[in-house]
Amino acid sequence: AQSVTQPDIHITVSEGASLELRCNYSYGATPYLFWYVQSPGQGLQLLLKYFSGDTLVQGIKGFEAEFKRSQSSFNLRKPSVHWSDAAEYFCAVGAGQKVTFGTGTKLQVIP
Amino acid sequence: DGGITQSPKYLFRKEGQNVTLSCEQNLNHDAMYWYRQDPGQGLRLIYYSQIVNDFQKGDIAEGYSVSREKKESFPLTVTSAQKNPTAFYLCASSPRPGAGSYEQYFGPGTRLTVT
Repeated sequence: AQSVTQPDIHITVSEGASLELRCNYSYGATPYLFWYVQSPGQGLQLLLKYFSGDTLVQGIKGFEAEFKRSQSSFNLRKPSVHWSDAAEYFCAVGAGQKVTFGTGTKLQVIP
Repeated sequence: DGGITQSPKYLFRKEGQNVTLSCEQNLNHDAMYWYRQDPGQGLRLIYYSQIVNDFQKGDIAEGYSVSREKKESFPLTVTSAQKNPTAFYLCASSPRPGAGSYEQYFGPGTRLTVT
C-alpha cells in the first residue's frame, strides 16, 4: 500500500519570498502524484499532477513541482509567494485502487 | 458551470439521529467519492462508486451508508452508529475508473456537527 508524508505541518513565509513544500511518498512503482490546495472551509482544488514524462510539472497559480524518483519526493515550489497563497496544501498519491492524501501543510504568509 | 455541489454547507444534528449529506455533480463523471476530513489527519476515504448502482467501502465505512441510483448523485448517510460523526465531509468525482480516477474534483464540503 502507498503512503504519503508531508513533514511540515505549518510553514510561514514572507510575501514575495520563495516557497517549497515537501512531500515524500512510499510506493513500489512510479505512482500518480498530485498537489491540491484548500482554503479554510472549502473543498480541495487541484494545483498540478504528475503521471509520467517531464519530471518538472507546471500548475495553476504559478506553482510547480518536481518528481525525484531517487528521493521518492514530489516537492511543490513557487518562486514568489502572494498573500492569497495562504491555505493548506495536500500532496496525494494515486496507486492501486485509491488515492492517498498526506496530512497537509498549512501555509501562513506574512506581509 | 460544471461542478460539484454539496448541501447544506453546515449541518447540526442531535446524537442518535441519522443525517444525509447531499452530493450532486454535472461533470458527467463516472466515479464519485466521499471523504472525511479531521484536523491534522488529511482526508480519509469513506465510500466510493465507480458506476451507477455499485459502490465500495473505503477505509472508514463503519457507521456510514451510501447509494448511487443516478450518475449525478451520491448521497451519504451518517448513521447513529458512527461514533464520532462531527467532521468536515468532502465529496469528489473523477472522469473515469482506473487510472483516470486518481484525478479528483472536489465539492465545497459540508461541516457536520453532532451534539
